[in-house]
Amino acid sequence: DGGITQSPKYLFRKEGQNVTLSCEQNLNHDAMYWYRQDPGQGLRLIYYSQIVNDFQKGDIAEGYSVSREKKESFPLTVTSAQKNPTAFYLCASSMGRGSYEQYFGPGTRLTVT
Amino acid sequence: GESVGLHLPTLSVQEGDNSIINCAYSNSASDYFIWYKQESGKGPQFIIDIRSNMDKRQGQRVTVLLNKTVKHLSLQIAATQPGDSAVYFCAENMDQGGKLIFGQGTELSVKP
Repeated sequence: DGGITQSPKYLFRKEGQNVTLSCEQNLNHDAMYWYRQDPGQGLRLIYYSQIVNDFQKGDIAEGYSVSREKKESFPLTVTSAQKNPTAFYLCASSMGRGSYEQYFGPGTRLTVT
Repeated sequence: GESVGLHLPTLSVQEGDNSIINCAYSNSASDYFIWYKQESGKGPQFIIDIRSNMDKRQGQRVTVLLNKTVKHLSLQIAATQPGDSAVYFCAENMDQGGKLIFGQGTELSVKP
């Protein structure tokens, strides 16, 4: 099955710890994205990558970091510098190169206490 | 700043009725628009999209209308079913980089 996967579904961490969220796609998509969603809110772009070994900050990149060493993978690290990390995190991918439809993973709900 | 917004945060309809979800956008240069459906605790699912060179596009039970004159986008769902209950987001593409700007979402509730 082709698709985009995120793991784990639920993640709990103590304040002050870094945590890495996984995102993998086997759609052969060039572009990948990370969004944050708070309750009752829309999606806000954290980071995106249009090609391997390259990525750009989105609207709310502070306190987050990413890497894109492989086409299939785009992990997101939520660092201790992120002041309010509890949220629902969504990863997406698209073909890129003028194709704008983004395919979303199931999301990871991160709770930091 | 420029953003995509929705007129109504919640919409309640009777099963079998048609639903209309509205969206306003402010960037006249946007050339692509997309609607997503998000069920509770899940990732958004693609419903339908439209490019700026069109004013209407139909899918299965759904129609998207684009009015560039007033910068308005709408999603029409025919014969709404309980399974249509979800939050619906519109999004626009504002540049060649593939970034989508999402609206706040409208929660659709279908009464049996």
